[in-house]
Parts: sequence; C-alpha cells; structure tokens
Amino acid sequence: EADIYQTPRYLVIGTGKKITLECSQTMGHDKMYWYQQDPGMELHLIHYSYGVNSTEKGDLSSESTVSRIRTEHFPLTLESARPSHTSQYLCASSEGAGPLTGELFFGEGSRLTVL
Amino acid sequence: GIQVEQSPPDLILQEGANSTLRCNFSDSVNNLQWFHQNPWGQLINLFYIPSGTKQNGRLSATTVATERYSLLYISSSQTTDSGVYFCAALANFGNEKLTFGTGTRLTIIP
Repeated sequence: EADIYQTPRYLVIGTGKKITLECSQTMGHDKMYWYQQDPGMELHLIHYSYGVNSTEKGDLSSESTVSRIRTEHFPLTLESARPSHTSQYLCASSEGAGPLTGELFFGEGSRLTVL
Repeated sequence: GIQVEQSPPDLILQEGANSTLRCNFSDSVNNLQWFHQNPWGQLINLFYIPSGTKQNGRLSATTVATERYSLLYISSSQTTDSGVYFCAALANFGNEKLTFGTGTRLTIIP
C-alpha cells in the first residue's frame, strides 16, 4: 500500500488569498506529480518532479507553482486564488529509476473551493 | 501523444451482475494502470498491467499489448464497486507521463 498524504482534504477560501496544498510521501519515491480534476472528469497533469530541485510544468497550463526541496515533500501554491481554481487537486508519486514512470500511487486529494 | 479511450462511458448494473470495461490506446505501451475513484474522490490502484492477465478477488484485468487494449472485469458486482474507473497508459516512446482516459462511470443498483 502507498503512503502518500495530502492536506487539507477540503478548503473553502475567498478570492485573492494565498493557499498551499501539502503533499508528503514516505516511500522514498523520486518522482512526484500534481493532477487537477473537475468532478467526474478526466485528470490533467499540471506539475511533476523527478527529484529534489527538479520541477516541470505538465500538460495543462496552471497558475500554481510547486517546489521540491525534500524528496518526501511536494507542495503546490496558488499566490492569489480565483473561482476558476475551484477543483480537486490530486498528488501522486511513483517508483522506478530514471525518467520512465513506474506504478503511480495517489493521495486522497484536496478539494478546493474559491468563492 | 498517446490517445487513451475508455468504453462504455456509463454503465448501470444490478448488484450481482458481471461487467467488462474496455481501454483502447493508440501506441505501444510500457505502463498501463487501472484505478477506481470512489465517491470521495480518492483514486485507488487496481492493477499495474502493461501486459498479460492479473486477478485480485472479484476483479481481473487483461492487457493485449499487441492489439492495444486492456479489459477490466468485475464479477458479482457490489454497491461498493460504484464509482469511476480510469485507465492510464504510458507510451514506449514520446513524453514520459501517464495519459488518463476519460473514465467509465459504474453505478451498481441494490
């Protein structure tokens, strides 16, 4: 079983606020990912990292930013939240060496609502 | 990039019925996974199956890599099987990130 944790699970916040979604994994995985998903819809990759100090933008453009200072921690930040940012954000990590993606494991998700 | 298509988009079944969910992909793959998203939004790993057949209880999956499809079988469905089932694939060549299908929404009626 995977050990990957996200906080908060649910967040309701006003427009213009800064938010950080936390993601931590205890499996020692080098590769970590952030996906964005609207209810009932497909997942879109917004950020990924192959290891410490590595961050890349995903397939879907996002105003959020990420950092990877420690292997186990991959937080996502929105400097100024807007209603269009309302969505579920899913963090994932994968095993395996090198750039190819191994089996992917997800956290429980953070459901963000911006009023 | 690789295209991943799932069918059917929606499936409603009586409890106890069997079901088959299909995932077609457009390129040869070295990674193919099935996930179940529960009503609370969490994605649960079902199978990591780039080729061959695996079984886990009432669920089994088969990937025929040469024909570019994978099937997920659910037998004796229970209401807890309800949710959205996603497959995700990584092509042998090209970008190195999993591409998700649009999902199959399964509803099991008591």
